Amino acid sequence: DAGVIQSPRHEVTEMGQEVTLRCKPISGHNSLFWYRQTMMRGLELLIYFNNNVPIDDSGMPEDRFSAKMPNASFSTLKIQPSEPRDSAVYFCASSSSGLAGVETQYFGPGTRLLVL
Amino acid sequence: QKEVEQDPGPLSVPEGAIVSLNCTYSNSAFQYFMWYRQYSRKGPELLMYTYSSGNKEDGRFTAQVDKSSKYISLFIRDSQPSDSATYLCAMSARAGGTSYGKLTFGQGTILTVHP
Repeated sequence: DAGVIQSPRHEVTEMGQEVTLRCKPISGHNSLFWYRQTMMRGLELLIYFNNNVPIDDSGMPEDRFSAKMPNASFSTLKIQPSEPRDSAVYFCASSSSGLAGVETQYFGPGTRLLVL
Repeated sequence: QKEVEQDPGPLSVPEGAIVSLNCTYSNSAFQYFMWYRQYSRKGPELLMYTYSSGNKEDGRFTAQVDKSSKYISLFIRDSQPSDSATYLCAMSARAGGTSYGKLTFGQGTILTVHP
């Protein structure tokens, strides 16, 4: 099993540019999560998809952030325009429901984003 | 006030020591309690989970939940340098079935076990 795959692993961009982060969940998982991790705020849930449908986007910081899941094997998180305060590690996680009553979330390796 | 509070440390212990990691929470609806371990430059991975109050043991690791005090702990016995990582507590009010368990994470505690 390849696990959750994220790309790119590192991204350096300039303020104002568009950034697109990509995620391939584990095959067969029907839930997908995007998180952001910073030293100051820890790990924060940005948005959650279930069966490709956005269920909870209350964590999305503002309109500059958008996420899509066009099919069960692919999701994107886009930031447009990017700002220095968006610099963080962005994680994608996936899970399957009904696993012994607890949904284990499997995290990808993350994308380290630096906005200059 | 954050829903989940965790001392970020850092915590440094000698090899073989017993490590105690703790989290407190304010949401009484939390039912599932988890500990994730995150190595440097990696994603978090589930270490242990418990449901409701009580203890759960897995090898050198013991998770404790005290719902009356809204307090959870992770104990590591005979700590090893390979245990050096960030430990995050996470909690969920719902889980399983067709719904999902939104995880609320603590800040994470950085642990270093030195030889």
